[in-house]
Amino acid sequence: ETGVTQTPRHLVMGMTNKKSLKCEQHLGHNAMYWYKQSAKKPLELMFVYSLEERVENNSVPSRFSPECPNSSHLFLHLHTLQPEDSALYLCASSQATSGGTAEAFFGQGTRLTVV
Amino acid sequence: AQSVTQPDIHITVSEGASLELRCNYSYGATPYLFWYVQSPGQGLQLLLKYFSGDTLVQGIKGFEAEFKRSQSSFNLRKPSVHWSDAAEYFCAVAFNDYKLSFGAGTTVTVRA
Repeated sequence: ETGVTQTPRHLVMGMTNKKSLKCEQHLGHNAMYWYKQSAKKPLELMFVYSLEERVENNSVPSRFSPECPNSSHLFLHLHTLQPEDSALYLCASSQATSGGTAEAFFGQGTRLTVV
Repeated sequence: AQSVTQPDIHITVSEGASLELRCNYSYGATPYLFWYVQSPGQGLQLLLKYFSGDTLVQGIKGFEAEFKRSQSSFNLRKPSVHWSDAAEYFCAVAFNDYKLSFGAGTTVTVRA
């Protein structure tokens, strides 16, 4: 496999469920990201991991819990979500360098529906 | 505050016609600039990027973009659109770090 792979592609969960989204990158990058894409809204950056350390958490509710066990894998653990959390969740990776940036490569996303 | 603006929510063009999508940013210095495309149900694919140098950059699928510092703009163009260009297009910027900030997107419809 190449690029950034996200699983599952689609997920329907109840508000009391616990589920996890998985992202894997095969590009040798050192930074990984979670974005939320809701209808009619700009992409929202949720979390950034650089060298497996969380460097950004954009005021995301605690019902979203990221995990980055190594530089190739990123998880988003979900629990007690709300219907307004239904969205497309996109994972991305990049080779971040000091004082600059390279482009981010995106997975195909997980379409989450909270019922 | 830093921001990215795509003034056009939706554009409809005829197949074979030219296309221009607008992007403006608000920041004191020149950021890194990107254009991405998203087909329905898919992730984002990078079309092109500008870091420095020649202000007219070429990308994939026949797209190009021009950086204009005086206008804080990075508009995307294609001389002749194909039906397969129907998608949503996002402008993005990064300001000396590795976080991308995205515009709200422009949906392009191509009519036969």
